[in-house]
Parts: sequence; structure tokens; C-alpha cells
Amino acid sequence: GDSVTQMEGPVTLSEEAFLTINCTYTATGYPSLFWYVQYPGEGLQLLLKATKADDKGSNKGFEATYRKETTSFHLEKGSVQVSDSAVYFCALKKRGGSYIPTFGRGTSLIVHP
Amino acid sequence: DADVTQTPRNRITKTGKRIMLECSQTKGHDRMYWYRQDPGLGLRLIYYSFDVKDINKGEISDGYSVSRQAQAKFSLSLESAIPNQTALYFCATSDGGQLTSGNTIYFGEGSWLTVV
Repeated sequence: GDSVTQMEGPVTLSEEAFLTINCTYTATGYPSLFWYVQYPGEGLQLLLKATKADDKGSNKGFEATYRKETTSFHLEKGSVQVSDSAVYFCALKKRGGSYIPTFGRGTSLIVHP
Repeated sequence: DADVTQTPRNRITKTGKRIMLECSQTKGHDRMYWYRQDPGLGLRLIYYSFDVKDINKGEISDGYSVSRQAQAKFSLSLESAIPNQTALYFCATSDGGQLTSGNTIYFGEGSWLTVV
């Protein structure tokens, strides 16, 4: 079945450091890919998405590129801030069928001043 | 006001008690979901509904039941709560009308349930 694998956390960085959170997926067909972010005490909210190969999603300084050849959708940010501390979830939804999203286990990011 | 509202936000209940978590949405979406979040396990789907007359089991439906009272309302019940159902529960909605996989899912703020 479909699955999403994320790097385990927590990822601990100093402010202004470069961030990469790895995400790879297994799915038949051509899924849409998403990154959701969960700030402390809140629900998940969409950070960015890409719906076809080579698309780049971007928002709030975060970027991720849909790489079909490596089945990856890694999240990057050039300079993290303390306010970026949160849990990040990679997810996929497939065209056709039920469109039920599949989520990764989440990666906690802690940014120190 | 939030697009997806969950009540209660926090609840402590005893083993064997029945507990209901309620969810309402103002997005006008047809699709609603209940997820459970546990540390290290991410989000797991409990039940989902594509419209008022449609209810489907997710990957961990045992011990849970749901009711879709209206397009905007989707409640989750634990008929006889047990301690390993202690978790953070999320309701979510999405628009499936266009049958596109790119539609965003909108989450509520979560309901913390502790079963003692």
C-alpha cells in the first residue's frame, strides 16, 4: 500500500541554520504531495504542496520539490527561526480511488536562539 | 471563528465510560475525517465520511463509532473507553467535489482525551 517515510526527529538547530527534513514515498500512480505543520497546541495546517513531478511548493521560506525519479519531497529552509519550532508531517494523496491522505509519522523541529 | 471546531478540547474519563467527541465545520465540505495522533506514530485514520449517507472505517476503527448528523457535523464515540485510547484526536475536512488529489485538508485544533 501507499506509505510515507520521514526522517526521525527531533531535529535540533540553531537560529539561522539550514533545514532539511527528508521525506520519501511509496505509491502507485502519481500522487499529490504535501507538507503540513503542527505548532504547539494546534492542529495541522497546510504548509505547501505539489501536484505533479518537478513542481516546487513554497511558503513562508520553506520549499519542497516533487522528485519522481527518487520518490522524494524533502522540505528545506535556508534560515530557520525559533518560531519554526513545530512538528512537520509529509503526506500524499493519490488521484483516483478515495483520495484518503496518507501521513508520515512527523518530524519534530526544535530551533534554539 | 475556526473553520473546524472540536469539542471538548480536553477530557478526562474513566475506563468503561462512553465518551463523545464532536466536530463541526463551516467550510461547506462534503468529506470529514477523524484521526488519532500518538507520539512516534503520527496520524492514524479512524473513520471517514464522504457525505451524510457515507461512513467508512479507517485503519484503526475498532473500539470507535461515528455519526454524521449533517454535512457540517461528524461525531466520534468511544462506547467503552480504555486507557490505550488516551490520545490526541483530530477532526478534519476536505472538499472532494472536484475529485482532485490536490485538495487541502483542514484540521481542527484537536481534542485531548485521557482515559484513567
